[in-house]
Order: sequence, then structure tokens, then C-alpha cells
Amino acid sequence: DAKTTQPPSMDCAEGRAANLPCNHSTISGNEYVYWYRQIHSQGPQYIIHGLKNNETNEMASLIITEDRKSSTLILPHATLRDTAVYYCIVRGDGTASKLTFGTGTRLQVTL
Amino acid sequence: DGGITQSPKYLFRKEGQNVTLSCEQNLNHDAMYWYRQDPGQGLRLIYYSQIVNDFQKGDIAEGYSVSREKKESFPLTVTSAQKNPTAFYLCASSIALTRRHTEAFFGQGTRLTVV
Repeated sequence: DAKTTQPPSMDCAEGRAANLPCNHSTISGNEYVYWYRQIHSQGPQYIIHGLKNNETNEMASLIITEDRKSSTLILPHATLRDTAVYYCIVRGDGTASKLTFGTGTRLQVTL
Repeated sequence: DGGITQSPKYLFRKEGQNVTLSCEQNLNHDAMYWYRQDPGQGLRLIYYSQIVNDFQKGDIAEGYSVSREKKESFPLTVTSAQKNPTAFYLCASSIALTRRHTEAFFGQGTRLTVV
């Protein structure tokens, strides 16, 4: 599975959009980008995934660049409850849910 | 309600003792996993199982053992051979290891402290 690089921490004001970047320059054609988040002392929670098209669900939007070497998770209106560690994961076919987590980005949402 | 349950939430053991962490799911998922998380770190895969009576080593299996006798259950034993057992342990499950687009559901974790 391709390795990902994320900034260690970010801040965002409540009500503003939080844009979390992820670099995955070695991603291959059959690998998907997944995002999870982990609120302190809890298990990670699935957010969204995509291959090459932008995706949106009730939690977030995922923007993947045309060359697929990077992506951005967007929380459109961040709240204090969105404070968490966000993990960007690249996973290919056949390895399915054998998810390999990096250290993620710690997002702090402030008033 | 369907979900994945880990117990206990906090566990204390003396050094040199084996300890077993429980993980039960009623989601009818085929695949189950154990991860370890140390402070400020990401999750590291210990063991995973694709189907009953089958399991595979993950990245840090040394000092751990598992069993998968029932689809619903995937207990993890931390043995005395594990040099640094104090950590946060997370169990997860998903529909099938080889299926695409399958999200993993995590339990709330067990925080093990060895003194």
C-alpha cells in the first residue's frame, strides 16, 4: 500500500471549513483513498473514500487531484465535536480492510 | 443495536502475566482485526482474521496470540513475551477482507496497563 504524508496538526475556527491535506505520491491505479478520524480515546470512525472522482457524503467531501497524488478532506462547517485525529489511508484491492494507519493530522477546532 | 464490543475498557495486570482482551461483534462480519496504539502514535496491526479458524500475523505480532473459533469473537492474548504491553488496544471488523469498499468498524478500545 502507498505511503501517505499528512501535516501533524491543524487549527480551524468553529463554523469555518476545515481542509485537511494528504500526499500519496506513490499511489497506484487500483488504490483507493480512505479517511478515518479518531476522537480522543475512542476507536477510529470511517468518514469517506474515493478512487479518482470527488466524493461527498453527510460528513465530508473528498477532493482528489487529477494525478491522484494528493487529496483533501473538507469538513464544510467544522464544530468543536470535529476535534480529532484524521487519518488518510491508501488501500488497494485484495488488501481490503487491512488498513495501515500513519500518525494522522490532529485537528483542533476552536471557538 | 449492531456493533463491536471490547471489554474491559481498562485492564491492569502484573508484569509476567498473560492477559486476554475480549472482542465481540454482532455485525455478521467475516473479517476481524486487532490494532495497538501507543501515545501520540497511529494504529499498528497485530493480527487479522478473514474467516473462522483462520488468522494472519500483522506487523507487530510478536508476543501476542489470537483465536477465531466463532465468527463473532476474536480474543487477543497478550503474553509475557510481549516486552512493552502497556498500550491502547483496538479491535475492528469488516464485511470481508477481500471485498472492495468495505469500511472497518472499531470498538471503543481496551487500555491495558502492566505494572
